Amino acid sequence: RKEVEQDPGPFNVPEGATVAFNCTYSNSASQSFFWYRQDCRKEPKLLMSVYSSGNEDGRFTAQLNRASQYISLLIRDSKLSDSATYLCVVEVSGGYNKLIFGAGTRLAVHP
Amino acid sequence: NAGVTQTPKFQVLKTGQSMTLQCAQDMNHNSMYWYRQDPGMGLRLIYYSASEGTTDKGEVPNGYNVSRLNKREFSLRLESAAPSQTSVYFCASSYGQSSGNTIYFGEGSWLTVV
Repeated sequence: RKEVEQDPGPFNVPEGATVAFNCTYSNSASQSFFWYRQDCRKEPKLLMSVYSSGNEDGRFTAQLNRASQYISLLIRDSKLSDSATYLCVVEVSGGYNKLIFGAGTRLAVHP
Repeated sequence: NAGVTQTPKFQVLKTGQSMTLQCAQDMNHNSMYWYRQDPGMGLRLIYYSASEGTTDKGEVPNGYNVSRLNKREFSLRLESAAPSQTSVYFCASSYGQSSGNTIYFGEGSWLTVV
């Protein structure tokens, strides 16, 4: 079983739609959580951190449920430019903090 | 701002050939990393260097060697390439231990081993 699991998609949505991505993680030592965005044939880039109380950045809302080991990302009013792969990333504490990447969920926003 | 620069961007190798992927960062970061990304899988850590002069194995180190040449540069070497090493390789750096909001990636190197 993968340590970080995501629905691979693709999610095909029209402009203006609301779309939600889910992510589950299995390591209880996970201490920090992030969503990254990766455009086709590009490097991953940080979209937002995920805080226990939930947080919002413009059209993007991230939620964390530690009890269920579940993270979500909600995108409202989707834009064509939101088309990308969204990576769920978990940081596990230890002698050396380790980042564990999900395989990503692909989003395609169409006109 | 250059950030993390890695070369080459594309490379085709024959099985058994060797090559070195180069990476340099200009952000004065202490830690550097090499990841590989394969279809259907998340990025996996190959090797990392927490500081100049130190290197450690990550999740998938077999078939690779690394050198932290100085604070700026961290190279990844494939001594005898195998088709299973066909992948996209990302170099990354961070000021301290990898934290998901302070790690920066290079643009990637696409490697095909035939």
